[in-house]
Amino acid sequence: QVQLVESGGGLVKPGGSLRLSCAASGFTFSDYYMSWIRQAPGKGLECVSHISSSGSTINYADSVKGRFTIYRDNAKKSLYLQMNSLRAEDTAVYYCARSQWGSDFDYWGQGTLVTVSS
Amino acid sequence: QSVLTQPPSVSGAPGQRVTISCTGSSSNIGAGYDVHWYQQLPGTAPKLLMFGNSNRPSGVPDRFSGSKSGTSASLAITGLQAEDEADYYCQSYDGSLSGYVVFGGGTKLTVL
Repeated sequence: QVQLVESGGGLVKPGGSLRLSCAASGFTFSDYYMSWIRQAPGKGLECVSHISSSGSTINYADSVKGRFTIYRDNAKKSLYLQMNSLRAEDTAVYYCARSQWGSDFDYWGQGTLVTVSS
Repeated sequence: QSVLTQPPSVSGAPGQRVTISCTGSSSNIGAGYDVHWYQQLPGTAPKLLMFGNSNRPSGVPDRFSGSKSGTSASLAITGLQAEDEADYYCQSYDGSLSGYVVFGGGTKLTVL
């Protein structure tokens, strides 16, 4: 069965860095786009970044451009999000999700909480 | 402010029918991008409820249906049940935005 398991969340001070990981299993990881989608406390969903199956195409939301870097290791079936210069408004649960380009997110991880606070 | 506009809340009694609207523009829904819907139960990750405007994934009851017309889409739930109480999000793509993926702000469904 398809599984996506995020890790790496935690408490970090403003200006700090954190790296999130998403371990995939149960499907051919290299066939799918992968995305990081976040949800601030009590708020809606925001796709912060997504990456094509080969890693050649990457997109970022304007809110994180220049601060976050998405990458993947298809051999390890893993997705990553390097988050630098973190701000209080980056506080959220971060989900990884799989999709095909232009399509739906059919599987989501359970999420990992990132809290940015002094 | 979300690119796709949803009502913040809807409600209905058990057995009734409710609809949730999702309004976009000519750069997203109106440009031909499909609309997808997600259900998020309290404290859990979103779950795909409807894909490609009107297609249900395996396991989703046929009480749920979706449609799209012009720059809008709708999710309808008939025979409302207590277990349907959740947050619902629409999602599409927008060719004018660098991130492409857009979500609605979410709709809280309350079963009275």
